[in-house]
Amino acid sequence: AQKVTQTQTSISVMEKTTVTMDCVYETQDSSYFLFWYKQTASGEIVFLIRQDSYKKENATVGHYSLNFQKPKSSIGLIITATQIEDSAVYFCAMRFYGNEKITFGAGTKLTIKP
Amino acid sequence: NAGVIQTPRHKVTGKGQEATLWCEPISGHSAVFWYRQTIVQGLEFLTYFRNQAPIDDSGMPKERFSAQMPNQSHSTLKIQSTQPQDSAVYLCASSSRDNSGNTLYFGEGSRLIVV
Repeated sequence: AQKVTQTQTSISVMEKTTVTMDCVYETQDSSYFLFWYKQTASGEIVFLIRQDSYKKENATVGHYSLNFQKPKSSIGLIITATQIEDSAVYFCAMRFYGNEKITFGAGTKLTIKP
Repeated sequence: NAGVIQTPRHKVTGKGQEATLWCEPISGHSAVFWYRQTIVQGLEFLTYFRNQAPIDDSGMPKERFSAQMPNQSHSTLKIQSTQPQDSAVYLCASSSRDNSGNTLYFGEGSRLIVV
């Protein structure tokens, strides 16, 4: 079974700073995908970034990047130069290579203060 | 391009009534997923289809819940004899089989309130 844990319930940072959100996962498989999704205040859920377990390089998309530490089963999301519109709930998620079911963590609420 | 379309956006139903939720996936996507979101349980996987065939329904409550995908452009989630604990936002998502790792594209959700 796959399990995703986000221990930070909420984080608040000042605009234009860098924030890191933590996520650890449990898996017996050696091949898997890790994702981060964002849910805005309107309820819309959008995909942000993905890490394939076999890739050693950390994924980067725009001002989102990942800190993938496979030995620790950890996949942190780093947002640089935060903006007010980054305020949202961020979900970490994973799936095994051979199964399309995606399991989500409980989410971390990020508030960006002006 | 239209995203995933879910109807109705809001539904209030009396306890014991039936509720049917509809989902139209993104054109060309071959997989449809159903999730339920509540404050307490978060985002819970219910079931998914690939090429209209049910693949994994491990998250579906065994009684009262059923899902179908009669054609590639339409999936339904039916809840019979609704109970207050079924109140939630039901989210549909679709994905394509490509090298994206099956990134999910979510609809706006159907908020079900059982009174």
